[in-house]
Amino acid sequence: GAVVSQHPSWVICKSGTSVKIECRSLDFQATTMFWYRQFPKQSLMLMATSNEGSKATYEQGVEKDKFLINHASLTLSTLTVTSAHPEDSSFYICSAMGRPGHNEQFFGPGTRLTVL
Amino acid sequence: LAKTTQPISMDSYEGQEVNITCSHNNIATNDYITWYQQFPSQGPRFIIQGYKTKVTNEVASLFIPADRKSSTLSLPRVSLSDTAVYYCLVVGGIRGGSYIPTFGRGTSLIVHP
Repeated sequence: GAVVSQHPSWVICKSGTSVKIECRSLDFQATTMFWYRQFPKQSLMLMATSNEGSKATYEQGVEKDKFLINHASLTLSTLTVTSAHPEDSSFYICSAMGRPGHNEQFFGPGTRLTVL
Repeated sequence: LAKTTQPISMDSYEGQEVNITCSHNNIATNDYITWYQQFPSQGPRFIIQGYKTKVTNEVASLFIPADRKSSTLSLPRVSLSDTAVYYCLVVGGIRGGSYIPTFGRGTSLIVHP
């Protein structure tokens, strides 16, 4: 099946630093990628929708200057958490769509971010 | 946006059939119904997708009535490894040509020996 990877799988950083998370679709060209965050025992919350070559569409309440999303190619999207603070600690998950014949999302394994 | 409602939790035993129902009263004409499984600290995994009637694959069946206002995921003969959270996702909410996937709270299924 379709494979979506994320890197890193976990990261610990100091408060005030920036962290970049990569999301790659390994065997298909993703026309659309999504970024979610998930807190413990809670559901996935959509942060933004990213289309290749265009600006991301952010959901209400998500600061676009804090969560920078770049979708530079059909197989790569990045999420940069700028000036991270402890409240940004969460599980970040990406998904990709666009595999021919499929209209479901294929999810990455997630990235655990811990901000000290 | 199509909102979904599922039971928060369910318990079952190994070997039993489990049916999880999802309500989506304001489903739109173009919406598909997709079910995902998620284990702790992992990304969701696709289980099954349907538009109407019944869909079956190697792991599950999906029953959708004619009015499409609900759907039921059926897992035959569950095992301990099926303990997970199951999400019903109704893909819709057209905005600027894109759609907005909105996950509900999911159903936490616990399978007992």
